Amino acid sequence: ETGVTQTPRHLVMGMTNKKSLKCEQHLGHNAMYWYKQSAKKPLELMFVYNFKEQTENNSVPSRFSPECPNSSHLFLHLHTLQPEDSALYLCASSQELEGGNGYTFGSGTRLTVV
Amino acid sequence: GENVEQHPSTLSVQEGDSAVIKCTYSDSASNYFPWYKQELGKRPQLIIDIRSNVGEKKDQRIAVTLNKTAKHFSLHITETQPEDSAVYFCAAKALYSYNQGGKLIFGQGTELSVKP
Repeated sequence: ETGVTQTPRHLVMGMTNKKSLKCEQHLGHNAMYWYKQSAKKPLELMFVYNFKEQTENNSVPSRFSPECPNSSHLFLHLHTLQPEDSALYLCASSQELEGGNGYTFGSGTRLTVV
Repeated sequence: GENVEQHPSTLSVQEGDSAVIKCTYSDSASNYFPWYKQELGKRPQLIIDIRSNVGEKKDQRIAVTLNKTAKHFSLHITETQPEDSAVYFCAAKALYSYNQGGKLIFGQGTELSVKP
């Protein structure tokens, strides 16, 4: 483990279901992120939280709803998803400082929408 | 908006040869450029990074170069080994202040295959 833990690892859900993805980091980082990774596509930034405040929403549909109750936890609530939302959802964290810093990724949740 | 272009999308080399992956970025404010390696079924892992005040950085068999004027940066892997086979992503980030947070914009990825 890298210090960023995502659960569940795999999720299959129907289009009318509601589910949540969870991310937890034990690195003392001050920023957390959700990325979507689809087959043959680049990593797409979805949301950015800095000091638990949302600083970026990259035009994500409202069927994806993030929540960041504190600097260590990040959730992605899912409802009425479409089959095209099937992808690997990666959480990442970083310690933001001037000059930039790398992200530490979790192992991801493999989501399949049926 | 910000954009990062990465080439080639696939790269096949013989063991022992060198591999070069190139990226260009659009946001001139970008000041941090990491490279990630993602093995099949695993998470992306940071392998090397470079900041805008540096032109080149090397770590054993991997090196990264940055040309700010041309807005492009490259990853160089020498003496490639089969375990180098993976998808490599470049990324660029503009960090304006530490409390705003910076967003990493990724390239499309390069699938590197090293044949023994």
